[in-house]
Parts: sequence; structure tokens; C-alpha cells
Amino acid sequence: ETGVTQSPTHLIKTRGQQVTLRCSSQSGHNTVSWYQQALGQGPQFIFQYYREEENGRGNFPPRFSGLQFPNYSSELNVNALELDDSALYLCASSLEQGNSPLHFGNGTRLTVT
Amino acid sequence: AQSVTQPDIHITVSEGASLELRCNYSYGATPYLFWYVQSPGQGLQLLLKYFSGDTLVQGIKGFEAEFKRSQSSFNLRKPSVHWSDAAEYFCAVGASGGYQKVTFGTGTKLQVIP
Repeated sequence: ETGVTQSPTHLIKTRGQQVTLRCSSQSGHNTVSWYQQALGQGPQFIFQYYREEENGRGNFPPRFSGLQFPNYSSELNVNALELDDSALYLCASSLEQGNSPLHFGNGTRLTVT
Repeated sequence: AQSVTQPDIHITVSEGASLELRCNYSYGATPYLFWYVQSPGQGLQLLLKYFSGDTLVQGIKGFEAEFKRSQSSFNLRKPSVHWSDAAEYFCAVGASGGYQKVTFGTGTKLQVIP
């Protein structure tokens, strides 16, 4: 069973730039969720993708966007980066049922300077 | 809206001592409840989950948690802590219906001293 993998592991960007983070879901999982974890905080829900469509979104602006591909892998795109976007970005895969536990990757550490 | 409160930011215990991490949740219906553990620089690993049925649930690494509806609590326990248990622990509540939104608490950092 292949777990959730994320790339890259670390990334440094300048304010105003754009970034794309990638995630491969665990085999057999059809739902992908993205979370932002600031230093010393719990993960905050960004959005979730199911059947290649966004089906839920947290309190994040539209410059945070995503995609899910037919093989259930996913991308998180952030435009016009701000200093406060510096965080660990976690991808989690699951089945679509509400009680299906999230399986997390190790995250991408994004630093915006 | 669902929410989770973990009142203890840091806890220090001696190796071999018992452990209880507190978690209180707010949710209008029967919640899905989870405990996750995160080691430095890593993602989150599921320790255990509660959906329904027996209110005492067993998880991996010798952890257990008890769901108490009357107290809106889901505290995590371990009878004897090992040095390798040092990590950050997150309680989470999941919503049923619609999309699968899981809300996390702010975490409790566990330090284990010899």
C-alpha cells in the first residue's frame, strides 16, 4: 500500500510569486484534502476535492486554488504569495465517507520572504 | 460550526507515568472524533477514531480514548508513557454529510523526561 506523498518537501518563494504543491493520494483513496499548518498551530482546512471537483472549502481566499486529476492526485496553487502564507502544507487522502480517517503526507514547508 | 479545544499547550510527564490529554469538542450532532500524533517535521498519524458504539476506543501504540457525550469530551490516555511518545497530539472532530471537513485543535506538545 502506497502512502500519501507530497512534493517538494521544502520551498522558498518571494512575496507576490505563485507556487504549486503536489500530492499523490494513497492507493484506493478518492478524496483529497489540503490543510495549512502555521508554526505552533493545528492544521486549518483549506479545501477538499472529490471526483475532480472542489466539494468543500474553509476560510481561505480565492488565490488558494486546487486541482484533482483522474488518478486522484492533486495540486494546491497559491497566487500572489504573502508572508503569512509561510506554513507547512499538508495533503490528506481518504474515502468520500465522512467517517473515513484522513491519511496525511509529510507536508511541504513553504517559506515566503 | 464544529470546534475543538485542547486546553493544555504543553505537558511534561516522566517515562513510565500515566498520561491523559484533554479534548473538548463542539458539534451539533454525533461527531466523528479522532486523535492524531505529529512528530517534528512530519505529517499526522492517526492514533484512534470514534464513530459510534463503545465509548472506549483502543488505538495504536497503547493509546485509548473515551467519548463522554455529557461532557463533550474525548480524552486520550496511556497507562505508561515511553520516551518515544514525545510528540504533538491533535484532537479532531469530523462532520457527517456533505463534504468531509475535519477540524483540528491547536495541539498538545508532550515532553517525556527520564
